[in-house]
Amino acid sequence: EVQLVESGGGLVQPGESLRLSCAASGFGFSAYSMIWVRQAPGKGLEWLSYIGASTRSPTIYYADSVKGRFTISRDNAKNSTYLHVTSLRAEDTAVYYCARPFWSGTDYWGQGTLVTVSS
Amino acid sequence: ELVLTQSPATLSLSPGETATLSCRASQSASNYLAWYQQKPGQTPRLLIYDASKRATGIPARFSGSGSETDFTLTISSLEPEDSAVYYCQQRSRTFGQGTKLEIK
Repeated sequence: EVQLVESGGGLVQPGESLRLSCAASGFGFSAYSMIWVRQAPGKGLEWLSYIGASTRSPTIYYADSVKGRFTISRDNAKNSTYLHVTSLRAEDTAVYYCARPFWSGTDYWGQGTLVTVSS
Repeated sequence: ELVLTQSPATLSLSPGETATLSCRASQSASNYLAWYQQKPGQTPRLLIYDASKRATGIPARFSGSGSETDFTLTISSLEPEDSAVYYCQQRSRTFGQGTKLEIK
């Protein structure tokens, strides 16, 4: 069974940083690209970042809204992907999901980790 | 950056009717377009990928069409459980802002 489990969220103050983790199981993680998506309370889905399957130099993309503040990475030995989020602002408050791309879509999602940015 | 615009924002229909949801891309998306259903408190469920292919377990009532910049999700014979927000997504990346479908 495919499982994606996010962790690392919490309550942080504006300007702080977090590293979000996503542990994958039930499939050949190293062969798959991965993405991060967030959803602010009561709002729509926002794609954040994509990382390709390659270990050496994976293809990476970021949404313009987070470029320069968020960094995606992966560790295939640990079947995990990470999202390092910095200079957090109130508008970054959201549930952060990792998900597995499938052709032009995304077939598996984790349950998400909540990040709350507040002083 | 490619932008996806969904319309209408809200759609209210009766059981048995057909819903037609639109997703327009600011530049060509070829056929790299997916559709999702999200109900409150749940993660998105993949309905359609590559513009017209149904994901595993999705009923034939759900169909996708279109290419390049104009895409449509059609849901026929609406059922009460189809009430949800529907999103389009391009190439596992950019999402549209969503269409809320209410079944009266």
